[in-house]
Amino acid sequence: KAGVTQTPRYLIKTRGQQVTLSCSPISGHRSVSWYQQTPGQGLQFLFEYFSETQRNKGNFPGRFSGRQFSNSRSEMNVSTLELGDSALYLCASSLGRATLGEQYFGPGTRLTVT
Amino acid sequence: GENVEQHPSTLSVQEGDSAVIKCTYSDSASNYFPWYKQELGKGPQLIIDIRSNVGEKKDQRIAVTLNKTAKHFSLHITETQPEDSAVYFCAANTNAGKSTFGDGTTLTVKP
Repeated sequence: KAGVTQTPRYLIKTRGQQVTLSCSPISGHRSVSWYQQTPGQGLQFLFEYFSETQRNKGNFPGRFSGRQFSNSRSEMNVSTLELGDSALYLCASSLGRATLGEQYFGPGTRLTVT
Repeated sequence: GENVEQHPSTLSVQEGDSAVIKCTYSDSASNYFPWYKQELGKGPQLIIDIRSNVGEKKDQRIAVTLNKTAKHFSLHITETQPEDSAVYFCAANTNAGKSTFGDGTTLTVKP
């Protein structure tokens, strides 16, 4: 079974631009969660999508948004990029709700904002 | 909100020794506690988990213990090997959908 895939793996953007990251979950998994990982703040929860609906949201500004499609693939969008948005963005998929069972992480997208 | 403290932040052991990483959580509603291993350039990988109705769980060289009263849980790795070197994260999850991670422990196993 193929694992969680994320595209692109690396991205360089300029302050003020916007970016869209993509995540394809493990086949059959209905939940996709997004996390931001930085050396200073660690792993922080962004949001979870389950059956195309956002079920939970972390403490991030409205510039961070996401969506999930009927095939469970998910995209995350960050508008008006700031230098502090430079991070590794991870997505994780799970069969059911994310916090109730096993999550499988993708390799992440390394975003650098200059 | 939930706070998860993880100690130590770095741990260095000799190959064959045991390693113990401890986490403390604050939200009594937390009921699912996974541990992840993250190697360089990869995403975190679930290595073991425990639910609040269980006190201990073991999987070969890895074990996790949970003390609900004290709100802490620990990861134990026995007979460490160089390939165990990685960053380890604990997390505390609630049914309400909150997932809080510890800051991570960098484990180095010296051959």
